[in-house]
Amino acid sequence: GNSVTQMEGPVTLSEEAFLTINCTYTATGYPSLFWYVQYPGEGLQLLLKATKADDKGSNKGFEATYRKETTSFHLEKGSVQVSDSAVYFCALSDRRNTGNQFYFGTGTSLTVIP
Amino acid sequence: DVKVTQSSRYLVKRTGEKVFLECVQDMDHENMFWYRQDPGLGLRLIYFSYDVKMKEKGDIPEGYSVSREKKERFSLILESASTNQTSMYLCASSFTPYGYTFGSGTRLTVV
Repeated sequence: GNSVTQMEGPVTLSEEAFLTINCTYTATGYPSLFWYVQYPGEGLQLLLKATKADDKGSNKGFEATYRKETTSFHLEKGSVQVSDSAVYFCALSDRRNTGNQFYFGTGTSLTVIP
Repeated sequence: DVKVTQSSRYLVKRTGEKVFLECVQDMDHENMFWYRQDPGLGLRLIYFSYDVKMKEKGDIPEGYSVSREKKERFSLILESASTNQTSMYLCASSFTPYGYTFGSGTRLTVV
């Protein structure tokens, strides 16, 4: 079946530190991969996506590369800011699924301290 | 931009009440979803719908039902609210396989 595993949190970093949040997946078909971000008190927002192997998604300084050989989609940012404090969710969508169902990881909470 | 609007940000209901959570999207999306979000459990799919009057059970449908009479509106119904249904409820919609748009969420407390 389809599933997503992401690293446990919470993660606490100092401003300007390097961020990596690990995400691995299991899929039966041809998944697209996503990172969503949830700021306090809000719903989830799409951060970036990649639809096929070796694609790199990027947005707001965040990057993730779709690695089929390691079934991974790790999120990285070179220099985090206090405003990046949020919960990050890795997700996959299998294009063969009826109704376009997504599968989410459990989320990783990031706190950036000044 | 697509908007997904959930009618309430915060709700407090009593045990045994029938509760309606409303979700409306404005971009003619085919697919709509209801999730609940709980600490340590992430997002769990309750129900989804890929067309008007169509519905499919997700991973945790027990205690819930849904209604989709119009394409833009997808309602989640708690038939008889219980305290273990206290949670954040998130609605989402999508047209292609390439991304959901989420509402801001409804934080429901059942007392």
